[in-house]
Amino acid sequence: DTAVSQTPKYLVTQMGNDKSIKCEQNLGHDTMYWYKQDSKKFLKIMFSYNNKELIINETVPNRFSPKSPDKAHLNLHINSLELGDSAVYFCASSQRQLYGYTFGSGTRLTVV
Amino acid sequence: GDSVTQMEGPVTLSEEAFLTINCTYTATGYPSLFWYVQYPGEGLQLLLKATKADDKGSNKGFEATYRKETTSFHLEKGSVQVSDSAVYFCALSDHTDKLIFGTGTRLQVFP
Repeated sequence: DTAVSQTPKYLVTQMGNDKSIKCEQNLGHDTMYWYKQDSKKFLKIMFSYNNKELIINETVPNRFSPKSPDKAHLNLHINSLELGDSAVYFCASSQRQLYGYTFGSGTRLTVV
Repeated sequence: GDSVTQMEGPVTLSEEAFLTINCTYTATGYPSLFWYVQYPGEGLQLLLKATKADDKGSNKGFEATYRKETTSFHLEKGSVQVSDSAVYFCALSDHTDKLIFGTGTRLQVFP
C-alpha cells in the first residue's frame, strides 16, 4: 500500500489554466506538506497543515491554494498557471518532525 | 534564518570507493538533522537521521554524526555501489516543524 500518494504523476497544461493536484496519506499522520522542487533540484516548503489547520504558509503566490478536507488529504489548487510554475511538486506527511517526513513520488507540472 | 549548506556536485566515484558528502547547518536552536535520498524519477526517501548532538544515524551502510561543535552532519559510506547513484539531500527540522533542505548533491557511481 502506498503511504503517500499523489495524482496525477504528470501534468502538462497551458498558461492561464487552473489545475489541481491531489494527495492522500494512509499513515495516520497529523501533518501534511507541499514542497516545490525546481529544475535545479532545490526543495522549498510551500504549505503545511496539521489536522486540517494551516500551519505554515511560505511566500507563495495566492494563485496557489491548499485545501485539506480531512487530515488524510491535502490538495493543491493552482489558478492562472504561469510558465514559472513548472516544477515537481511533492506532498509529504509526518507524525512528528523529529522522525522525518514520508514523501509522495511527486507530480511533474509542465506549463506550456 | 536556519539554513543547510551542502557540497556542490556531482560527486563521481568508482564502485567500492569511499564516499563523503559534506553538510553544515546554521540554526538558532537544536534541530534534528536528516539525510534524504532521491533516486531518478522518484520522491525523497529518508536515509538516516539524528536528533541530538553526538548521535550517529546509520542505514544501508551510510552513516552521519551530528557534530554540534562544527555544526556538521557529513554523510559517509565505506564502499559505494552503482545502485547508490542518486541525489542526496541534507536537511534540518526547526522548531516550526518544517524541513529545510540543502541544495542536494548528485552522486554518480561507475562500475
